[in-house]
Amino acid sequence: SAVISQKPSRDICQRGTSLTIQCQVDSQVTMMFWYRQQPGQSLTLIATANQGSEATYESGFVIDKFPISRPNLTFSTLTVSNMSPEDSSIYLCSVEGGTGSLYFGPGTRLTVT
Amino acid sequence: DAKTTQPPSMDCAEGRAANLPCNHSTISGNEYVYWYRQIHSQGPQYIIHGLKNNETNEMASLIITEDRKSSTLILPHATLRDTAVYYCIVSKTSYDKVIFGPGTSLSVIP
Repeated sequence: SAVISQKPSRDICQRGTSLTIQCQVDSQVTMMFWYRQQPGQSLTLIATANQGSEATYESGFVIDKFPISRPNLTFSTLTVSNMSPEDSSIYLCSVEGGTGSLYFGPGTRLTVT
Repeated sequence: DAKTTQPPSMDCAEGRAANLPCNHSTISGNEYVYWYRQIHSQGPQYIIHGLKNNETNEMASLIITEDRKSSTLILPHATLRDTAVYYCIVSKTSYDKVIFGPGTSLSVIP
């Protein structure tokens, strides 16, 4: 199984600012996924990030708001830009596992005031 | 939209078996059934998956009906630490984007 770490674990940010979330995996993986979990809700897929190509965004998510980098096979970042209180969520990084399953990081809890 | 339907909540007595149902009537032949759980404030955890045969591991058993339109996750001896939201997901593989539904909130009661 993959071990995934995320930084920061939590943050409180002011509206209009941006936050970059880092995701580090202990092994090389082809695909990484970013999810958002709003308070009391299920997980929503933001985008799929492959190394060496542009991220693929789901409906309702755009690159200008959530730019993603994937510089190598063990690392990715998600930036939440021009934040508003509606962006307050847990942001989760995940990677594919060998059995076809997903492994998730611990999440980044973001509060926007 | 999620391809599965689950009850929003269930209770289970500690030490008893927890049986969590999932309907996936539109599942296609090459799609697997995956189960994850999310304990409060943690990232989701993979539990088990199957295609058409029943599966068992150290965490749980997965029973898939013969027509593959529904399945049941069984936690044989539920403990308080099993209190979590359980998600049933249908997906080809992890390379296929994984869509989460609302899941079932399981409460294990002492």
